[in-house]
Amino acid sequence: AQSVTQPDIHITVSEGASLELRCNYSYGATPYLFWYVQSPGQGLQLLLKYFSGDTLVQGIKGFEAEFKRSQSSFNLRKPSVHWSDAAEYFCAVGGNAGGTSYGKLTFGQGTILTVHP
Amino acid sequence: ETGVTQSPTHLIKTRGQQVTLRCSSQSGHNTVSWYQQALGQGPQFIFQYYREEENGRGNFPPRFSGLQFPNYSSELNVNALELDDSALYLCASSSPREGNGELFFGEGSRLTVL
Repeated sequence: AQSVTQPDIHITVSEGASLELRCNYSYGATPYLFWYVQSPGQGLQLLLKYFSGDTLVQGIKGFEAEFKRSQSSFNLRKPSVHWSDAAEYFCAVGGNAGGTSYGKLTFGQGTILTVHP
Repeated sequence: ETGVTQSPTHLIKTRGQQVTLRCSSQSGHNTVSWYQQALGQGPQFIFQYYREEENGRGNFPPRFSGLQFPNYSSELNVNALELDDSALYLCASSSPREGNGELFFGEGSRLTVL
């Protein structure tokens, strides 16, 4: 069964500081990995995704993530956090559903990011 | 290009009632997935519809059912509502021909069961 663990429920950083959000996954085959962001009362916005190829992927809003198969991790990073980055971040894992779209995505419980001025 | 739209945005029901939530997929997307997000949790996959047929289901009881229409819009129906059904219900559309089937989420329907 596939699963995602986000060890940090809540992270607080100062504006301008660097950020790393942790994500560990369990998946029986080659995973598709995603990071989504959710602002209060909003739906999910895709930050970045990994399907194959280069293990360092770039996303929107200056975010990047690195896929490390040996550690079953897909940590999200940003070199300098802005106050507008305060939100909840979700890591998700899925796979190819055989010719259709991904099929089922399994999400972690999320990490709430607070940014201090 | 219109995005994924969901209705209603908020609703309140009582235990035992039935509810129907609606989702219009993004233009050109033929696949719709539904997720339940309880307070403080990540979204959980309910089921997916592709070409008007259920194509994968998560660990939800049969009282959660769905439909997809020829225009690819979709409904989620929940019968015999329970207090634990209170959650944000998210719809996502995708197309296998675009971006490896990337999911595009709506803003959700927040259901409160009293």
